[in-house]
Amino acid sequence: GAVVSQHPSRVICKSGTSVKIECRSLDFQATTMFWYRQFPKQSLMLMATSNEGSKATYEQGVEKDKFLINHASLTLSTLTVTSAHPEDSSFYICSASNSATGVNWVHFGNGTRLTVT
Amino acid sequence: AQSVTQLGSHVSVSEGALVLLRCNYSSSVPPYLFWYVQYPNQGLQLLLKYTTGATLVKGINGFEAEFKKSETSFHLTKPSAHMSDAAEYFCAVSPGSGGYNKLIFGAGTRLAVHP
Repeated sequence: GAVVSQHPSRVICKSGTSVKIECRSLDFQATTMFWYRQFPKQSLMLMATSNEGSKATYEQGVEKDKFLINHASLTLSTLTVTSAHPEDSSFYICSASNSATGVNWVHFGNGTRLTVT
Repeated sequence: AQSVTQLGSHVSVSEGALVLLRCNYSSSVPPYLFWYVQYPNQGLQLLLKYTTGATLVKGINGFEAEFKKSETSFHLTKPSAHMSDAAEYFCAVSPGSGGYNKLIFGAGTRLAVHP
């Protein structure tokens, strides 16, 4: 089946540094990728939607200058958390889909646990 | 706008007992509805989905859900719980055609299964 790989699975960084998270679709072309954030014991909150080759669409309340999203190819999207602070510590999950092939093609990565010290 | 309400943040059942996880949705357009399961520190696995057609949907691991438009519900059931079913379950909605991949999630229900 379709596989979405997210890397790294865990990352610890110091406050003020930037962290990049990668989301790759391994065996299909992902025309759209979604980035979610999940706080402990809470649901997933959609942060942004990225379409290959265009700027990401951010949800209300999400700082686009802090959470930089790049979707430069049909198999890779990256989320960069810039100038990270402890409150950015969270579980970040991506999902990928190919809009031409229907709802079956929404697949999630295994998530990245970010801890900012 | 769409939203999802999952009644009960925690559900506890005995092994072998019926599992019932409740989900109600709000949508201004015909919805697509989903149930996902999440194990600790992992991503989401699709259990089942409703798009169109038959309102009783069967998924993996013995789970099923029924779309009831009149009740705006999409409750998840399993006749007999197994210890391995202990996890977090999320109901999600998307707007159907034209943006169906954008999922709005409920708050989640943690299922505990005890011997």
